[in-house]
Amino acid sequence: GIQVEQSPPDLILQEGANSTLRCNFSDSVNNLQWFHQNPWGQLINLFYIPSGTKQNGRLSATTVATERYSLLYISSSQTTDSGVYFCAVVMTTDSWGKFQFGAGTQVVVTP
Amino acid sequence: GAGVSQSPSNKVTEKGKDVELRCDPISGHTALYWYRQSLGQGLEFLIYFQGNSAPDKSGLPSDRFSAERTGGSVSTLTIQRTQQEDSAVYLCASSSWGRDTRNEQFFGPGTRLTVL
Repeated sequence: GIQVEQSPPDLILQEGANSTLRCNFSDSVNNLQWFHQNPWGQLINLFYIPSGTKQNGRLSATTVATERYSLLYISSSQTTDSGVYFCAVVMTTDSWGKFQFGAGTQVVVTP
Repeated sequence: GAGVSQSPSNKVTEKGKDVELRCDPISGHTALYWYRQSLGQGLEFLIYFQGNSAPDKSGLPSDRFSAERTGGSVSTLTIQRTQQEDSAVYLCASSSWGRDTRNEQFFGPGTRLTVL
């Protein structure tokens, strides 16, 4: 079955709105990252967050490892936030470098 | 270098030909990763290197795919006898990986491969 599941698959936001993206994973993890893939295809690091909560400007993330999910919050969204958001995990049952990516959440922010 | 670089940025080839894709990791990064991303899809793990060794090759789709890394730096992904289904963006990432460092990946811009 799907080991890394992201929701929602698509999200349309008006500029200024807030949103929450979710990443569920099927097993315990020792690594979790969130990325933003911009419309030109470049993957940009947002957070390294195998556990706990972090904030960076308008973005924040929380990982509850014991319950096997992570959340990415976007506040006061801007058109530049458009793109695809991926979470990537390394399961404790896998080799250290084997990252598994979710299918992503496509975000469109309209002016 | 300042970031991960990949070459070429675009490659168009004919079915049946061999191709080589190159990745230059961030200087000092000991781990290097290859992924494939088909149009509109997520990233598919192919292989990773720790130094020059590849502990996990489980993601390579077939024996037409191989990768090597020499000198703990540059890596080459080779696809032999390319097929149309190999068309995708091939992404490389690197990370600084040690006992007391976190394994945080940084990605290159990718190579877009088109097999005609």
